[in-house]
Amino acid sequence: NAGVTQTPKFQVLKTGQSMTLQCAQDMNHEYMSWYRQDPGMGLRLIHYSVGAGITDQGEVPNGYNVSRSTTEDFPLRLLSAAPSQTSVYFCASSYSLTADNYGYTFGSGTRLTVV
Amino acid sequence: KNQVEQSPQSLIILEGKNCTLQCNYTVSPFSNLRWYKQDTGRGPVSLTIMTFSENTKSNGRYTATLDADTKQSSLHITASQLSDSASYICVVRASNAGGTSYGKLTFGQGTILTVHP
Repeated sequence: NAGVTQTPKFQVLKTGQSMTLQCAQDMNHEYMSWYRQDPGMGLRLIHYSVGAGITDQGEVPNGYNVSRSTTEDFPLRLLSAAPSQTSVYFCASSYSLTADNYGYTFGSGTRLTVV
Repeated sequence: KNQVEQSPQSLIILEGKNCTLQCNYTVSPFSNLRWYKQDTGRGPVSLTIMTFSENTKSNGRYTATLDADTKQSSLHITASQLSDSASYICVVRASNAGGTSYGKLTFGQGTILTVHP
């Protein structure tokens, strides 16, 4: 089925470890983004991309890196995991950032625990 | 600061009953308002997208209203079903007509709806 695929679904890391959360979409969407969801808070934007080779920071970018070498893939890298990064991470894509009425398609999320 | 506030935080209703969820926002300049449904352990799924000129939009048993003057929206669920148990998230998009809030989405914290048989 077409959509946004995130892997892994669950991950436990030790403080200081690094890892990459994978996100892939097969809808030829130009816009992709990463959010984190914490209890009692709305989703917060970490990083986003408006096309291959173009990325920018969201509101909570510290401790995370992204790159976009292809239209389909937008991995999120945790450089040195900290307990404050324990969260559920969602990747979302949209046909266009500039067209107001296009909806976002979200992946099913990655639940990350840092101990 | 752009904010989206939802109420109530949680709601329990019996199957077959109606309910209304509220969303107040301060996002400016306004582009559109979206309601998403998020099942436990899943990503949000879009229910409706409403622009400035739209007062009401329906999607099956879900009806969203928007009052752009008072910056309020509501999501009404008719004849609730057990499958309606989920978190409902109000999301407001800022206008991309220049400025730093280029297409930025502001998410509410969600209302957790539980439907009991």
